[in-house]
Amino acid sequence: GENVEQHPSTLSVQEGDSAVIKCTYSDSASNYFPWYKQELGKRPQLIIDIRSNVGEKKDQRIAVTLNKTAKHFSLHITETQPEDSAVYFCAAGGSGGYQKVTFGIGTKLQVIP
Amino acid sequence: DAGVIQSPRHEVTEMGQEVTLRCKPISGHDYLFWYRQTMMRGLELLIYFNNNVPIDDSGMPEDRFSAKMPNASFSTLKIQPSEPRDSAVYFCASSTGPEAFFGQGTRLTVV
Repeated sequence: GENVEQHPSTLSVQEGDSAVIKCTYSDSASNYFPWYKQELGKRPQLIIDIRSNVGEKKDQRIAVTLNKTAKHFSLHITETQPEDSAVYFCAAGGSGGYQKVTFGIGTKLQVIP
Repeated sequence: DAGVIQSPRHEVTEMGQEVTLRCKPISGHDYLFWYRQTMMRGLELLIYFNNNVPIDDSGMPEDRFSAKMPNASFSTLKIQPSEPRDSAVYFCASSTGPEAFFGQGTRLTVV
């Protein structure tokens, strides 16, 4: 099955700086890579996703990049704000349908005002 | 729509007792997932259903865990007997496409 590794496990940045979270996956058939944000005590919510037919996708201050050859994908948050503080999960899957994905362990991002 | 609804929000039970977690998916969603979240293992997919039929239960840790979906608007996850290592937050999620919509979760503590 799919195995997703995520780094770093914790990340502290100053407000206004950029944050980068990296993930690798093992199943070359995976073609769907979502990112979820989980605020403290809340449910995970999708913030952005990318499919294997594109290498990069942006949505305001958030961007994701995908390198299928290396089986790497990353989340980039620019101009971080305190409300970006949360746990971020990457996931990979979709080879049997978009619905089944495997999550990474999560990255706890702290944005220091 | 109120979103995915889980009950109870918190459950404390003694080792050996049966625990039943409940989930009401978003109306019209044809996929339902049960996840377990722990600090050590993150979000683990336990089982998922499509149109009320279990598709993949390979993540169910042991025979003590069982899940049912008797109709499109209700699912249960049962642990019998419960053990302290089952303590975790259990999320139910539903979808009709790539995005999964999570419920608020049930925090289970087995003492």
